[in-house]
Amino acid sequence: EAGVTQFPSHSVIEKGQTVTLRCDPISGHDNLYWYRRVMGKEIKFLLHFVKESKQDESGMPNNRFLAERTGGTYSTLKVQPAELEDSGVYFCASSQLAGRTDTQYFGPGTRLTVL
Amino acid sequence: GENVEQHPSTLSVQEGDSAVIKCTYSDSASNYFPWYKQELGKRPQLIIDIRSNVGEKKDQRIAVTLNKTAKHFSLHITETQPEDSAVYFCAATEPLISNFGNEKLTFGTGTRLTIIP
Repeated sequence: EAGVTQFPSHSVIEKGQTVTLRCDPISGHDNLYWYRRVMGKEIKFLLHFVKESKQDESGMPNNRFLAERTGGTYSTLKVQPAELEDSGVYFCASSQLAGRTDTQYFGPGTRLTVL
Repeated sequence: GENVEQHPSTLSVQEGDSAVIKCTYSDSASNYFPWYKQELGKRPQLIIDIRSNVGEKKDQRIAVTLNKTAKHFSLHITETQPEDSAVYFCAATEPLISNFGNEKLTFGTGTRLTIIP
């Protein structure tokens, strides 16, 4: 079974530019999460999709971040315009069924550097 | 919201010795506590988890203990090997807020474990 995949693995952009990160969850997983690790600190929750619906976006830092999950399959996270403090590793995770505590499987992450 | 503290931030042990990493959480309603291992350049991978209805769980050289009263849980690795070197994260989940919820994970800050050959 293929694991969670993320693209790109690295992205270097300048302040003010736009970047879009993509996550492909494990096929059939209802739940999709975005997390971020900044400067060696803890991994912090950003938001949670159940299929195509945003279940919880309480961790999104501000309105420069926009996440979508059209059709309930892959998800994108767009940062526009990027700021220096957005640098970090963005992880996507998925789990199988809504409404229960399932293992969250993580992707390899996208390392974003904003210069 | 939930807050998870993790100690130590770095840990070096001789190969063959045991390693212990400790975490505390703030929300007494949290009920699921996974541990993830992240090797250099790789994705975080679940190595063991424990639910609030048990006090201890073991899987070969890895064990986790949970003290609900004190709100802390610990990872124990025995007979450490070089391949145990990695960053370890503990996490806790807040309770479901709806029938569609799957609890978001609140992570500790990580422990960099180094096994000295």
